[in-house]
Amino acid sequence: DTAVSQTPKYLVTQMGNDKSIKCEQNLGHDTMYWYKQDSKKFLKIMFSYNNKELIINETVPNRFSPKSPDKAHLNLHINSLELGDSAVYFCASSQGNSYNSPLHFGNGTRLTVT
Amino acid sequence: TQLLEQSPQFLSIQEGENLTVYCNSSSVFSSLQWYRQEPGEGPVLLVTVVTGGEVKKLKRLTFQFGDARKDSSLHITAAQPGDTGLYLCAGVTNAGKSTFGDGTTLTVKP
Repeated sequence: DTAVSQTPKYLVTQMGNDKSIKCEQNLGHDTMYWYKQDSKKFLKIMFSYNNKELIINETVPNRFSPKSPDKAHLNLHINSLELGDSAVYFCASSQGNSYNSPLHFGNGTRLTVT
Repeated sequence: TQLLEQSPQFLSIQEGENLTVYCNSSSVFSSLQWYRQEPGEGPVLLVTVVTGGEVKKLKRLTFQFGDARKDSSLHITAAQPGDTGLYLCAGVTNAGKSTFGDGTTLTVKP
């Protein structure tokens, strides 16, 4: 009965490769997000989708492309991986996207680029 | 860019002590949320404060939103080892965009 689940939990890959992270939520929420947490634990928003429509797109390299096939899924594809992409990536969801919409996070995907 | 600074960044205390964590910004937010994150897991929401000056209590945790809605504090009374974790504040705009603070790592020793 996991609320927000993302796979894989760990991802180790070499520079230049392309990889994807999948996220699914069973909370019935209409908004989903991708966050990146760096080695200093700083959590920064990357993308946000509301009802499959992109509503937040922070300054993220074009190598990162989110895809939302439906409200319950938001996947993240990364092309040409670089060392600096190593981080923990969190998927999150919320009902609505107002100031009163708490975020429900998955348990993260630790990406290591060698 | 809206920045939130948390202090202290690291805090190590003995069980039973009290502590306060601060979250400060120069920007006004529509709400302020506090999350707690444990190793290997995602952040979990503790509370949302919306009104300037609002105080919310969650057992031994007391949260306050500043009058000007730019800052917040989290006070823990009689800390326990189970309180150990990374505490994150997040300022939220009217459009629902969350900006997270740089975190406070709390260790409570038995």
